[in-house]
Amino acid sequence: EAGVTQFPSHSVIEKGQTVTLRCDPISGHDNLYWYRRVMGKEIKFLLHFVKESKQDESGMPNNRFLAERTGGTYSTLKVQPAELEDSGVYFCASSQAGTGNEKLFFGSGTQLSVL
Amino acid sequence: DQQVKQNSPSLSVQEGRISILNCDYTNSMFDYFLWYKKYPAEGPTFLISISSIKDKNEDGRFTVFLNKSAKHLSLHIVPSQPGDSAVYFCAASAWGNGNKLVFGAGTILRVKS
Repeated sequence: EAGVTQFPSHSVIEKGQTVTLRCDPISGHDNLYWYRRVMGKEIKFLLHFVKESKQDESGMPNNRFLAERTGGTYSTLKVQPAELEDSGVYFCASSQAGTGNEKLFFGSGTQLSVL
Repeated sequence: DQQVKQNSPSLSVQEGRISILNCDYTNSMFDYFLWYKKYPAEGPTFLISISSIKDKNEDGRFTVFLNKSAKHLSLHIVPSQPGDSAVYFCAASAWGNGNKLVFGAGTILRVKS
């Protein structure tokens, strides 16, 4: 079974540019999450999809970040325009539907560098 | 406001000995706690978890202890192996929060052979 896949693995862009990150969750997983780790600090929650609906987007830093999950399959996270402080590793995770406390499966992450 | 804290950035242990990784939390609403392990260039992988109704959970060489009154949990690895060298993240969630995990900053474990 394929795991959570993220693309690209690395992205280097200049301040002001746009970047789109993609996540393909494990097939059949209704829950999809985005997390971010900045500069070796804690991994922070960004948002949670249940199928195509945003369940919780309380962790999104500001309106420069836009996440979508059309059709309830893969998800994209767009940063527009990117700022220096957006640099970090963006992780996607997925889990099966349930009542909570399901195991999260993480992708390898996208290392974003904004210069 | 960091609700989950791992105060030791790194830990070095000799192969075969015990590794003890510590984690403190401040939010009394947390009722489920997890440890994730992360190798370089990979995503975190689930290691072990514990519910707040328990004070200990064991899985092979890994044991997690929870002290609710102290808001403290620890991960014990016995015996430690070189392959255990990784970053270990403590995480917590509150019931009804839809698996929204709050992570600590991680502890780098180095197991020397």
